[in-house]
Amino acid sequence: AQTVTQSQPEMSVQEAETVTLSCTYDTSESDYYLFWYKQPPSRQMILVIRQEAYKQQNATENRFSVNFQKAAKSFSLKISDSQLGDAAMYFCAYRSFRGGSEKLVFGKGTKLTVNP
Amino acid sequence: SQTIHQWPATLVQPVGSPLSLECTVEGTSNPNLYWYRQAAGRGLQLLFYSVGIGQISSEVPQNLSASRPQDRQFILSSKKLLLSDSGFYLCASEGTGRDQDGYTFGSGTRLTVV
Repeated sequence: AQTVTQSQPEMSVQEAETVTLSCTYDTSESDYYLFWYKQPPSRQMILVIRQEAYKQQNATENRFSVNFQKAAKSFSLKISDSQLGDAAMYFCAYRSFRGGSEKLVFGKGTKLTVNP
Repeated sequence: SQTIHQWPATLVQPVGSPLSLECTVEGTSNPNLYWYRQAAGRGLQLLFYSVGIGQISSEVPQNLSASRPQDRQFILSSKKLLLSDSGFYLCASEGTGRDQDGYTFGSGTRLTVV
């Protein structure tokens, strides 16, 4: 079974600075999807960024980018120019490529604090 | 794009009382639907998922059950709540772009069993 590990329960960053959140996963599959979700204090889960494992190019979405290292099974999230609104829980998630009812497997999350 | 309606937003129920949480989806047809529970300070635990009307799969044995009476309706129930059922419950949908888009989540229900 796939597992997702986020080794940083909490992180903090100064406003306008850059922070990187770590995520590693374990799988025997070669094709899969990886996601980062943001959960602000409102508890609404918001998709931040996704990466297809067969794509070598790292995904980017505005200030958010990932460093996807397939061989190392690592999927870190970099937030540039951090803003106060970035403060939230961040969850890394894995999904099989096989389709059907494949569930998302989540890590336990990293709480990000942004200091003004 | 999909929209998920989940209610109620908060609920306080006594031990031994029944439970019914409802989730409806707009903007897609034949979605895969999921119920997750999030305990305080922890990640998301998958409780149930459904690939179609009347089709329910349970991930963990527990005091809860789920039903899918219509294509875009997913209900989480319990006949008698336990203190350990307290938590934050999230409904999620995976629509027609299911290979790529991850999930769309509802706004959640905070359940406190007293």
